[in-house]
Amino acid sequence: GESVGLHLPTLSVQEGDNSIINCAYSNSASDYFIWYKQESGKGPQFIIDIRSNMDKRQGQRVTVLLNKTVKHLSLQIAATQPGDSAVYFCAENWGYGKLTFGQGTILTVHP
Amino acid sequence: EAGVAQSPRYKIIEKRQSVAFWCNPISGHATLYWYQQILGQGPKLLIQFQNNGVVDDSQLPKDRFSAERLKGVDSTLKIQPAKLEDSAVYLCASSLDVAGIGNTIYFGEGSWLTVV
Repeated sequence: GESVGLHLPTLSVQEGDNSIINCAYSNSASDYFIWYKQESGKGPQFIIDIRSNMDKRQGQRVTVLLNKTVKHLSLQIAATQPGDSAVYFCAENWGYGKLTFGQGTILTVHP
Repeated sequence: EAGVAQSPRYKIIEKRQSVAFWCNPISGHATLYWYQQILGQGPKLLIQFQNNGVVDDSQLPKDRFSAERLKGVDSTLKIQPAKLEDSAVYLCASSLDVAGIGNTIYFGEGSWLTVV
């Protein structure tokens, strides 16, 4: 049988390029969104978050954009490095701390 | 600051056996979560504690899964009897309070369970 893992969206970039990872969320009432990075064999690591009353937030080399009209979230990584290779998950807060995670995107950075 | 600690890291059991996972959250964090992550999928919330009380266990298969946080610090998650479909990574996470801006959820490295 097929492995579910083979169906994750993938993004391959060259070192130094900018990366854009996209996510569609489902609950228009979600008030808080988070991006996590998960390396092989490790737990998810917090990258950046954004409240629903914002449309953009910047961190170190990362920017999150939120479009509530189409329920879309994106993570932009500037000057991508090999250490950025991982699976990236978006998560939405359904209220009272209950996070619902998206499918995940595999980012591969080639030196 | 120490992170979320989990043990054991890896466990292989036969179906119908039982297993228990332990979690020690970040010091001072009132909220503790157990997530299940099946290969190739995002984590799914099983149960959420606020101190020693259960906030949400709507997705916990209560016929076989149980969890407790008796003193409001450490927590254990038990599966009895295990099924093949329980093979997954069990992630413990914690936050200062209910998650939101400024109350980031931090995850442990996970406990990898294989049921054969």
